[in-house]
Amino acid sequence: DSGVTQTPKHLITATGQRVTLRCSPRSGDLSVYWYQQSLDQGLQFLIQYYNGEERAKGNILERFSAQQFPDLHSELNLSSLELGDSALYFCASSPQDRLTYGYTFGSGTRLTVV
Amino acid sequence: AQKITQTQPGMFVQEKEAVTLDCTYDTSDQSYGLFWYKQPSSGEMIFLIYQGSYDEQNATEGRYSLNFQKARKSANLVISASQLGDSAMYFCAMTDSWGKLQFGAGTQVVVTP
Repeated sequence: DSGVTQTPKHLITATGQRVTLRCSPRSGDLSVYWYQQSLDQGLQFLIQYYNGEERAKGNILERFSAQQFPDLHSELNLSSLELGDSALYFCASSPQDRLTYGYTFGSGTRLTVV
Repeated sequence: AQKITQTQPGMFVQEKEAVTLDCTYDTSDQSYGLFWYKQPSSGEMIFLIYQGSYDEQNATEGRYSLNFQKARKSANLVISASQLGDSAMYFCAMTDSWGKLQFGAGTQVVVTP
């Protein structure tokens, strides 16, 4: 157990729907990062939050949004889902907002859009 | 912009042999970190080893060592004494000073008996 908890592990939904992925960081970690892993795009950074504030944005679609709550858990909201959004979504956490060593990944949420 | 390149899509290696996975990178940052992660078929991302851009010695973690050649901008992973459980996808990754992690395309390693 890495200490980073992602729920749900698997999600199957239809095109056009909206889903929420949840991430609880490792105890004491203030930074949360979201990544998308798809067959055609590989592993891509989506967005980072640090202590409730957005710190960095990557290749995140406008249909996607995220937030980090006061208890430091984070949610990634994906709306108007398309078949191409099917992917493995990872959350990772680290103690700081600027990485100096490494961070811990959750086990991922596998999203299938049908 | 940063770029990570892994030129080996896949490799076969015999059990107990050593294997080197190639990784080259490009960055204009002076401060950065280089990582290797292992992703077995179950999907989780497992941290293997880290090398900081200012570290003078190559990083080692058990059977894993990182061959860091800063001038050539390469950070190859060496796995010694391969085991069947080493079969997985291996990703090289790099952070900038802000902590954003960029991954290479990965190398699929299959260890054969």
